[in-house]
Amino acid sequence: DIQMTQSPSTLSASVGDRVIITCRASQDISSWLAWYQQKPGKAPKLLIYKASTLESGVPSRFTGSGSETEFTLTISSLQSDDFATYYCHQYRSYPWTFGQGTKVEIK
Amino acid sequence: QVQLVQSGAEVKKPGASVKVSCKASGYTFTGYGLSWVRQAPGQGPEWMGWISDQNDNTNYAQKFQGRVTLTTDTSTSTAYMELRSLRADDTAVYYCARMDYYDTSGKGDVFDIWGQGTMVTVSS
Repeated sequence: DIQMTQSPSTLSASVGDRVIITCRASQDISSWLAWYQQKPGKAPKLLIYKASTLESGVPSRFTGSGSETEFTLTISSLQSDDFATYYCHQYRSYPWTFGQGTKVEIK
Repeated sequence: QVQLVQSGAEVKKPGASVKVSCKASGYTFTGYGLSWVRQAPGQGPEWMGWISDQNDNTNYAQKFQGRVTLTTDTSTSTAYMELRSLRADDTAVYYCARMDYYDTSGKGDVFDIWGQGTMVTVSS
């Protein structure tokens, strides 16, 4: 199975901060990577697919980049609505796997 | 609007089975596949398997092979996930999630619409 490792596990930030979350794959997944945002008690929400394509309706402050084994999710200017947990997800090969999550909390 | 509505919370004893439903509305059911993803308390999501819209193609994660069955009923736009031989570590929120099985959108196998989740608790 492909292991997805996110860092950091928790991130404390303030509104307006630039935030970067990293996801590493245990093997080459090309650009078959998605990012999801999850708030407590809610289902995950798709933000980015194919490593860098923004899902319709997602604010442009979210940016995805990377390929092969190294990926990043950047929030250019953190808003109050962005405090949540973020997960990466590889869909290059079965079983599809997720990272353990990065919780973005208020500093 | 496009949505997936799941059945309610379940409490089961170890060794029992559970069947969760997921009803689609707001889009053409026969045009997308559905995946099932579970999330144990405080953990990341875990993909269990997917099923095509026509109920003629499935793919299960090896971990769940032989214990899970995915089905669909196109007449009611409803998908089902049955998990058997339940154990305490099956306690989790179970989600259905739409995937672009035919890749008409170009997104690939990502989950763009999710159900609200169904809490399954396994306890003696």
